[in-house]
Amino acid sequence: DGGITQSPKYLFRKEGQNVTLSCEQNLNHDAMYWYRQDPGQGLRLIYYSQIVNDFQKGDIAEGYSVSREKKESFPLTVTSAQKNPTAFYLCASSSLLTGATTDTQYFGPGTRLTVL
Amino acid sequence: GNSVTQMEGPVTLSEEAFLTINCTYTATGYPSLFWYVQYPGEGLQLLLKATKADDKGSNKGFEATYRKETTSFHLEKGSVQVSDSAVYFCALRGNSGYSTLTFGKGTMLLVSP
Repeated sequence: DGGITQSPKYLFRKEGQNVTLSCEQNLNHDAMYWYRQDPGQGLRLIYYSQIVNDFQKGDIAEGYSVSREKKESFPLTVTSAQKNPTAFYLCASSSLLTGATTDTQYFGPGTRLTVL
Repeated sequence: GNSVTQMEGPVTLSEEAFLTINCTYTATGYPSLFWYVQYPGEGLQLLLKATKADDKGSNKGFEATYRKETTSFHLEKGSVQVSDSAVYFCALRGNSGYSTLTFGKGTMLLVSP
């Protein structure tokens, strides 16, 4: 089955610790994204990557870091510098075709991070 | 910049009622428009999309028409079911080069038997 997997589903972290959220896709998509979702809010973009070894900051990148060493994987690290990290984190991917005017994003099931 | 505004929820309906969730947007040019649905504890699923003015996206009984003149993309369904209870997100993608998605805040729909 093709899709996007995120692990773990639930994650607990103590204040001051870094934590890494996993995102893997086997859809052969070029682009990958990380979003943060808070209650009553829409999705806010943290980072995105169009190709391997390249990524761009989104609207709320402070306190987060990413890497894109493989096309299939786009892990997100929540650092101790992130002041309010408790949230639901969603990973997405999409195909980028030259000249395409639309690229549907497909989402993983999400990871709920709680800082204790 | 781009922005999306959705009606606030929750929207509470009885089964078989008619549903409308309003969505308006601000963007330059001709963006692509999307509706996503999120069931409790899950990620988002694409419900429908439209890529140009007057296009109608449809899926699972849901419809939305891209109205350029009113910058709107309202979601409708003629007869809702309990299983439609979820949060619905309207989103747009700009068409100027590579562009990421801009989401509305979401509208929760609660359908009672």
